[in-house]
Amino acid sequence: AQSVTQLDSHVSVSEGTPVLLRCNYSSSYSPSLFWYVQHPNKGLQLLLKYTSAATLVKGINGFEAEFKKSETSFHLTKPSAHMSDAAEYFCVVSQRGKLIFGQGTELSVKP
Amino acid sequence: NAGVMQNPRHLVRRRGQEARLRCSPMKGHSHVYWYRQLPEEGLKFMVYLQKENIIDESGMPKERFSAEFPKEGPSILRIQQVVRGDSAAYFCASSPSGTGTLRGGYEQYFGPGTRLTVT
Repeated sequence: AQSVTQLDSHVSVSEGTPVLLRCNYSSSYSPSLFWYVQHPNKGLQLLLKYTSAATLVKGINGFEAEFKKSETSFHLTKPSAHMSDAAEYFCVVSQRGKLIFGQGTELSVKP
Repeated sequence: NAGVMQNPRHLVRRRGQEARLRCSPMKGHSHVYWYRQLPEEGLKFMVYLQKENIIDESGMPKERFSAEFPKEGPSILRIQQVVRGDSAAYFCASSPSGTGTLRGGYEQYFGPGTRLTVT
């Protein structure tokens, strides 16, 4: 079975500073990995996806993630946080079509 | 190009009533998924459907819950005899194609969700 573990339940950064949200995965084969974002009382929006084409994946709103097989990690980064980035972020792995979600990381951005 | 549509957005039911949640996938998408977000439990897969077929219902509770995706019309998630523990946000997602393989790299697009409150 595949799974993802998000290492931080809450991350707080100041506006303009880098963002790092950590995710480790467990998979017996090359996984399909995603990051989704959920703003309060809203649905989920796809930020980016990894499907083995390239290890560094660029997404929307300046986010990117790097797939590291040796570390079984898929961390999400952004060089400079914006107030509008405050939301909950989910690392997700696909298994036979269904998505398996991490527990989520709540990102707070201070002015 | 309309996204995934869900209705109602908010639904209040008394214990013992039935709840019907509707989902219209994105145009051209023939695969629908339902997920439930419970407080403190995160997002969990419930069921995966294609037109007129249930592909994977491994996340569905054994009783009171059912889902369908008919040839015509939206997908329906039905909860009979609701209890307070069913209060949650229910999200529908769709994709252009599912997977017959292990990997399943096709991303899913989510609707805004239906927030069910059982009183």
